[in-house]
Amino acid sequence: GQQLNQSPQSMFIQEGEDVSMNCTSSSIFNTWLWYKQDPGEGPVLLIALYKAGELTSNGRLTAQFGITRKDSFLNISASIPSDVGIYFCAGHGGGSGGGADGLTFGKGTHLIIQP
Amino acid sequence: DVKVTQSSRYLVKRTGEKVFLECVQDMDHENMFWYRQDPGLGLRLIYFSYDVKMKEKGDIPEGYSVSREKKERFSLILESASTNQTSMYLCASTMVGAYNEQFFGPGTRLTVL
Repeated sequence: GQQLNQSPQSMFIQEGEDVSMNCTSSSIFNTWLWYKQDPGEGPVLLIALYKAGELTSNGRLTAQFGITRKDSFLNISASIPSDVGIYFCAGHGGGSGGGADGLTFGKGTHLIIQP
Repeated sequence: DVKVTQSSRYLVKRTGEKVFLECVQDMDHENMFWYRQDPGLGLRLIYFSYDVKMKEKGDIPEGYSVSREKKERFSLILESASTNQTSMYLCASTMVGAYNEQFFGPGTRLTVL
């Protein structure tokens, strides 16, 4: 299947700092999504992006669908302790990703916040 | 809110045992998915289903089978569990035409000894 390169793999930041992470692919996607997973739980959808160039916000979170349709980034402003977790990007469509109609996931960015 | 539930949060089985992982969703979703999650590998699609009695292989179906006898329930079956199937298993569901906005269950952490 397709591969998504997500970076960084982990981030150690101070509370209040801004966070930025991104995903790139060698193939195009029609949809980009960002999920957050808390320990012992399933991923929860944060933001879905449907159009190349689209910039979408959800509270302190902002994500963009790259113009080339091969990348996306997620920013978190003014991080707080409950932002801790693993963030996954996921792509859908545009090729043979994710076993036909499943999602192709990045390997995750582990966010750790030091008070 | 969509609720996706999985029958067990933790499961320990022995090599060679037949294992059933159950997933139920309460929002009348047509599409259901099974993923496994491993450190450093992210989530990988095992099987998915568009409708009752319908199933499609994902990226890593080997060693697994599935059953969808009712719309709300999607079962993952390990016919003969092996140690390399120790993993976190996640079920997800979506409405038809909304394959991208997948709602996940809490996961089942399976250990095969």
